[in-house]
Amino acid sequence: GAVVSQHPSWVICKSGTSVKIECRSLDFQATTMFWYRQFPKQSLMLMATSNEGSKATYEQGVEKDKFLINHASLTLSTLTVTSAHPEDSSFYICSAGSAGGGSYEQYFGPGTRLTVT
Amino acid sequence: AQSVTQPDIHITVSEGASLELRCNYSYGATPYLFWYVQSPGQGLQLLLKYFSGDTLVQGIKGFEAEFKRSQSSFNLRKPSVHWSDAAEYFCAVGSGYSTLTFGKGTMLLVSP
Repeated sequence: GAVVSQHPSWVICKSGTSVKIECRSLDFQATTMFWYRQFPKQSLMLMATSNEGSKATYEQGVEKDKFLINHASLTLSTLTVTSAHPEDSSFYICSAGSAGGGSYEQYFGPGTRLTVT
Repeated sequence: AQSVTQPDIHITVSEGASLELRCNYSYGATPYLFWYVQSPGQGLQLLLKYFSGDTLVQGIKGFEAEFKRSQSSFNLRKPSVHWSDAAEYFCAVGSGYSTLTFGKGTMLLVSP
């Protein structure tokens, strides 16, 4: 089946620094990747939709200058949290879209736990 | 706007008992419906999905779900729950290449 990886799986950074999270589709090409944020005991909230070779589409309320998304290839999208603050601490999950056989689904990565101290 | 309601925040079921997790959706067109499971600190695993055709969908790990258009529901069921099924379950709705909208999730606890 389709596999999506994320790196790192967890990261601790100091307030004011930036951190990059990678999302890779390992065995398929994904023209569209999605970035979600999940607070403890809550649902996934879509942050942005990333299309290969074009600018990401951010959801309302998500700061595009703070959460930089790059989708440089059909297998890699990155999320950079710039000038991180403790309130950015969260679980970030990416997914990659795949279509075929008349159906479509998103395959999710294992998530990245970000802690900002 | 599409939305998903999972009315039960948490459910406790005895091991071996049957399970039904409720999901109601609001969507203007024919929805694509999904059930995902998430273990603590992990990503989401797809249990099953409905796109069209037979309204009773079989998934992995012995789960099934039934799409009822008249009730705007897509409830998840399992005839006999195992302790390893304890996790958080999310229902989601989407269409084509559009984004998914998730419910708030239902935490399943399995008692011995």
